[in-house]
Amino acid sequence: GAGVSQSPSNKVTEKGKDVELRCDPISGHTALYWYRQSLGQGLEFLIYFQGNSAPDKSGLPSDRFSAERTGGSVSTLTIQRTQQEDSAVYLCASSRDAYEQYFGPGTRLTVT
Amino acid sequence: GQQVMQIPQYQHVQEGEDFTTYCNSSTTLSNIQWYKQRPGGHPVFLIQLVKSGEVKKQKRLTFQFGEAKKNSSLHITATQTTDVGTYFCAGHQGAQKLVFGQGTRLTINP
Repeated sequence: GAGVSQSPSNKVTEKGKDVELRCDPISGHTALYWYRQSLGQGLEFLIYFQGNSAPDKSGLPSDRFSAERTGGSVSTLTIQRTQQEDSAVYLCASSRDAYEQYFGPGTRLTVT
Repeated sequence: GQQVMQIPQYQHVQEGEDFTTYCNSSTTLSNIQWYKQRPGGHPVFLIQLVKSGEVKKQKRLTFQFGEAKKNSSLHITATQTTDVGTYFCAGHQGAQKLVFGQGTRLTINP
């Protein structure tokens, strides 16, 4: 079956521009996470959606970052006024409640 | 909030040597999960442990969950070059979000 998909796979943008990253989770998965991973580093938690509950936004690094999940399925992570330090791989993962997470291939964001 | 600490951060071994990474939580966990991320790839689920003192094996990999459900370990016997990557532990505290450790990057000298 289909896994988690993310688009675009690569995004190059100029400093100050806004970007939108998309995540299509596995159908039926109630939990959706966004992470950021810089080269050679660990997973930095950004935001967590669980069912119809209010999202856990505690990991968002600044108010330039926002995310939404429409209809309990697709999620979009938006970064406004991008900065060079935003350059990283953005990973999305979905799961059924407390079960294992399935990660997407990630979006590599480069801010020039 | 819940924290999951993982050590060591890096480990370099000769092929054939054993490898162990340790995971410690500040709070009691309802379960612990282990993931492997190959260079250039994304994390892939390896296993989940739920019970106090649980031990599970996958070929050369042995996973343990501590009696207090606050620590865990992954041991690889006789490493092979295919074991290269970063190993992450991650824990749930009840219904709260999954929290990842910082990962242990394993490199192997063939």
